[in-house]
Amino acid sequence: DVKVTQSSRYLVKRTGEKVFLECVQDMDHENMFWYRQDPGLGLRLIYFSYDVKMKEKGDIPEGYSVSREKKERFSLILESASTNQTSMYLCASTPLGDSPYEQYFGPGTRLTVT
Amino acid sequence: SQQGEEDPQALSIQEGENATMNCSYKTSINNLQWYRQNSGRGLVHLILIRSNEREKHSGRLRVTLDTSKKSSSLLITASRAADTASYFCASANPYGGATNKLIFGTGTLLAVQP
Repeated sequence: DVKVTQSSRYLVKRTGEKVFLECVQDMDHENMFWYRQDPGLGLRLIYFSYDVKMKEKGDIPEGYSVSREKKERFSLILESASTNQTSMYLCASTPLGDSPYEQYFGPGTRLTVT
Repeated sequence: SQQGEEDPQALSIQEGENATMNCSYKTSINNLQWYRQNSGRGLVHLILIRSNEREKHSGRLRVTLDTSKKSSSLLITASRAADTASYFCASANPYGGATNKLIFGTGTLLAVQP
């Protein structure tokens, strides 16, 4: 079974703090994604990565950065957390390739910025 | 971003009834996928339908795709209380290459009353 894990289920941080969200997958997938989920807005793509050290901006990258030093690990970084970054953050992974693949999701991290 | 939209936003039915959820998307697609999310958890893949398919079945799930109308529907037959969850459609752009990026809809919240 593919397993995608996220470092925390719940996280509370203060405005201005630097926040790291970690995601690890164990299926040797090339592609990894970070989404945020807000009520009424569905899932919005923040960043994705298709290989180690490779990254591309998604639809809402402002205020976020990412790091992919190892194939299995994809980190989302909030350089200076703000209250409007309070949200559910979801990580996903999928193989690289032309065949259509499903995305495998982690359990999510609910981040509250106060 | 070009997100899909789902209809209805919320649906409440009795156990044993059928539930139908609709999804519209904006661009041409390679495939369309449906995901389920239990409250506060990650998403789980349910079913994938390719752009050259019109209908697909998996257990109690039936998905249809009408590319001329840019729409899809998910039917859950003989619903159970355990089907209570949010359901999301996600479309894959044919120009997304091997990254398997998806564009998610805003979701339908299904409540099945016992």
